[in-house]
Amino acid sequence: SYVLTQPPSVSVAPGKTARIACGGDNIGSQSVHWYQQKPGQAPVLVIYYDSDRPSGIPERFSGSNSGNTATLTISRVEAGDEADYSCQVWDSSHEHVVFGGGTKLTVL
Amino acid sequence: EVQLVQSGAEGKKPGESLKISCKGSGYSFSSYWIGWVRQMPGKGLEWMGSIYPGDSDTRYSPSFQGQVTMSADKYISTAYLQWSSLKASDTAMFYCARGGRGGVISNDAFDMWGQGTLVTVSP
Repeated sequence: SYVLTQPPSVSVAPGKTARIACGGDNIGSQSVHWYQQKPGQAPVLVIYYDSDRPSGIPERFSGSNSGNTATLTISRVEAGDEADYSCQVWDSSHEHVVFGGGTKLTVL
Repeated sequence: EVQLVQSGAEGKKPGESLKISCKGSGYSFSSYWIGWVRQMPGKGLEWMGSIYPGDSDTRYSPSFQGQVTMSADKYISTAYLQWSSLKASDTAMFYCARGGRGGVISNDAFDMWGQGTLVTVSP
């Protein structure tokens, strides 16, 4: 089945830009969704269909998807952005939802 | 306000049965898929399966097929996840989440999540 690969951790200083990768075979041909999960809380959708933002999500959050890598970009990182971020696709061949393993974003 | 409210934490023994619930409000519950997601302690998100309350069409992840049963009662806007015989390895947080609209499952995101139900299975 389809596999999504994320780095376990990413660290960034406040005010800088964080980029979190999500790798998959020809993922650029699929739609990717991203979720933020803070400790003790349920996940929250932050990007859908590669680059769309739900209402209430800051413009600092953006997404892109091409080739074998989708990327979640967080600009002007704040301490409150510290969380786990997971990517997700729909494996249409098997009618399955697939999540990446998650990336822990640490704000230094 | 659109929301999903899950039943409370459960403490069970191995071999016991369990049914947890997820009640939707603020939207047409029968018209959107509901997904169930497991999160084991300190681990990532795992999709267990999804159900369409309108007609109870269900898709299971191969990893969970035969291990759990999903159901829904559209008349009371509630989805369920049940186990017939729990194992210690079932200890986890379980989330329900709203998926796409319509009877054909597709690549829509989970745009609304329940607060989670913690299931602890120990002797």
